[in-house]
Amino acid sequence: EIVLTQSPGTLSLSPGERATLSCRASQSVSSSYLAWYQQKRGQAPRLLIYGASSRATGIPDRFSGSGSGTDFTLTISRLEPEDFAVYYCHQYGNSPPWTFGRGTKVEIK
Amino acid sequence: EVQLVESGGGLVQPGGSLRLSCAASGFTFSSYAMSWVRQAPGRGLEWVSEVSGSGDSTLYADSVKGRFTIFRDNSKNTLFLQMNSLRGEDTAVYYCAKATKFCSGGSCYQYFQHWGQGTLVTVSS
Repeated sequence: EIVLTQSPGTLSLSPGERATLSCRASQSVSSSYLAWYQQKRGQAPRLLIYGASSRATGIPDRFSGSGSGTDFTLTISRLEPEDFAVYYCHQYGNSPPWTFGRGTKVEIK
Repeated sequence: EVQLVESGGGLVQPGGSLRLSCAASGFTFSSYAMSWVRQAPGRGLEWVSEVSGSGDSTLYADSVKGRFTIFRDNSKNTLFLQMNSLRGEDTAVYYCAKATKFCSGGSCYQYFQHWGQGTLVTVSS
């Protein structure tokens, strides 16, 4: 099973600041199988990034993804009030189980 | 517009059974693999099970193997999760998710593009 470790657990930032979220895999993951989701309280997850760096339909360009192998990053260039939420990385590769990281909470400082 | 609507959650005693449903619309249901993903209260996301578009192939997380069964009725555009021998640790919001899989430019991609709103399952005496 591929374990995804997200850091930090909580990120305290102010609107307008840059957020950098990390996702490290226990073994190499094909970039095309790495996705990021945003989840707000009481809501279902929303796809932000797929293929490690491709933005999903309707996602603002302040969200960007990068990385390869075992290290992946989600960057939010300038935080908007609606961006304060929990973010999960996810690997959906060739061999199950498909796994998620434990999440990074981006909170208002 | 893709819509996924779960139902069937509720309170059940340990050892009991429950069947969840997910009604799909807005896409050709039989062409897509579907998964169930759960989230325990205050916790992260956990993939539970997947069924192929035809229903012929299924996958399960070790935590539910032998207790849960995923299946689908493509004539009714509905996904199901039969949950037996329920335990306290099965308490969670259960989401159905549509799997998008495609290949382009020499790479193949897989992700959950659409999710339902979730249904809460509580296992408690």
